[in-house]
Amino acid sequence: ETGVTQSPTHLIKTRGQQVTLRCSSQSGHNTVSWYQQALGQGPQFIFQYYREEENGRGNFPPRFSGLQFPNYSSELNVNALELDDSALYLCASSLVVSSTAGYEQYFGPGTRLTVT
Amino acid sequence: AQKVTQAQTEISVVEKEDVTLDCVYETRDTTYYLFWYKQPPSGELVFLIRRNSFDEQNEISGRYSWNFQKSTSSFNFTITASQVVDSAVYFCALSGLYNAGNMLTFGGGTRLMVKP
Repeated sequence: ETGVTQSPTHLIKTRGQQVTLRCSSQSGHNTVSWYQQALGQGPQFIFQYYREEENGRGNFPPRFSGLQFPNYSSELNVNALELDDSALYLCASSLVVSSTAGYEQYFGPGTRLTVT
Repeated sequence: AQKVTQAQTEISVVEKEDVTLDCVYETRDTTYYLFWYKQPPSGELVFLIRRNSFDEQNEISGRYSWNFQKSTSSFNFTITASQVVDSAVYFCALSGLYNAGNMLTFGGGTRLMVKP
């Protein structure tokens, strides 16, 4: 069974640029969630994709957007990067069979984004 | 609104000592789920346990045990006979039954350092 993978591992961008992060979900999982983890803090929920549509969003501005593909992999796009976007971005996959919550989420190793 | 508080930011113990990590949560949901994750230096969040709000039985898995007390809104985690490999940041998280996007609300984490 293949776990959650993310690419790239590290990334350095300049303020104002755009970035795309990628995630492949665990085999058999149909849902991908993205979290932002600033240094020394707990992860913050960005959004989740289920059946290729956004299925819930945290308190993040529209310049954070995403996609989910038919194979359940996902992308996180961030436009107009700001210094505060520097963080570890974590992708988590789960198998969701109903609209209720509480499903176990399995996390990838993350992408560390540095904005200068 | 949901909130998870991990009051202990750092704990240092000597190998073989027992250690308890505290977690206190707030939610208005009557049905909810509680989680513990381990984050080693590599950055990947490792799933440890999920409990639902109707199951207050304590759980033991090897050296790990969890104490869920609904009356005090606490879900504490104990490691018995700690080992150096237990050194990591541990996160407690909460998800309401109908959380949009299966969102996890994380605490700030507790850094556990186990010294030989």
